[in-house]
Amino acid sequence: DAGVTQSPTHLIKTRGQQVTLRCSPKSGHDTVSWYQQALGQGPQFIFQYYEEEERQRGNFPDRFSGHQFPNYSSELNVNALLLGDSALYLCASSSGPGTQYFGPGTRLLVL
Amino acid sequence: DAKTTQPPSMDCAEGRAANLPCNHSTISGNEYVYWYRQIHSQGPQYIIHGLKNNETNEMASLIITEDRKSSTLILPHATLRDTAVYYCIVRPPYNQGGKLIFGQGTELSVKP
Repeated sequence: DAGVTQSPTHLIKTRGQQVTLRCSPKSGHDTVSWYQQALGQGPQFIFQYYEEEERQRGNFPDRFSGHQFPNYSSELNVNALLLGDSALYLCASSSGPGTQYFGPGTRLLVL
Repeated sequence: DAKTTQPPSMDCAEGRAANLPCNHSTISGNEYVYWYRQIHSQGPQYIIHGLKNNETNEMASLIITEDRKSSTLILPHATLRDTAVYYCIVRPPYNQGGKLIFGQGTELSVKP
């Protein structure tokens, strides 16, 4: 049984560009949460998707948006990239309110 | 903001028990205590969680004090592969969001 998968593993972008990160949840999970982890910090909650709707959002600007598809997979989009957006982006899946299981992350570098 | 306080770092000898403390004095009655760990540059790994009673699984044991204001994660026989940052998280119930709020965690170094 595959766990949570994320793509790509690494990504380099320049300021002002847009990026899309992808997440496939663990089999049987219907809820996807996204987190941003800056170097040396704990992960910070971005938002959570359930039934293709954004259910909860953290303190992130509108440049960060997401989507959940009918197969429960999810995308995180970041527009107008800033240097400060460089981080490890983590996806976690759960079955509704259950325990969240994390993927390996996508490391984004903005130059 | 994180609702937990953990020591920034701890050392443990290989083969000995590692006891990682966590204070959560403002925890509410319906909030769970979760533990995750993160090995360098990997995604956080779920370890264990509990509400009131002590819990044990194949990875660790979780001891929650009777007043629920603190807890201890116990790795019974630490190995070098247990070297990681350990996060103690107080998780609100799902109907209040259920998101995970990470603090700085405890960096555990297991030494030979």
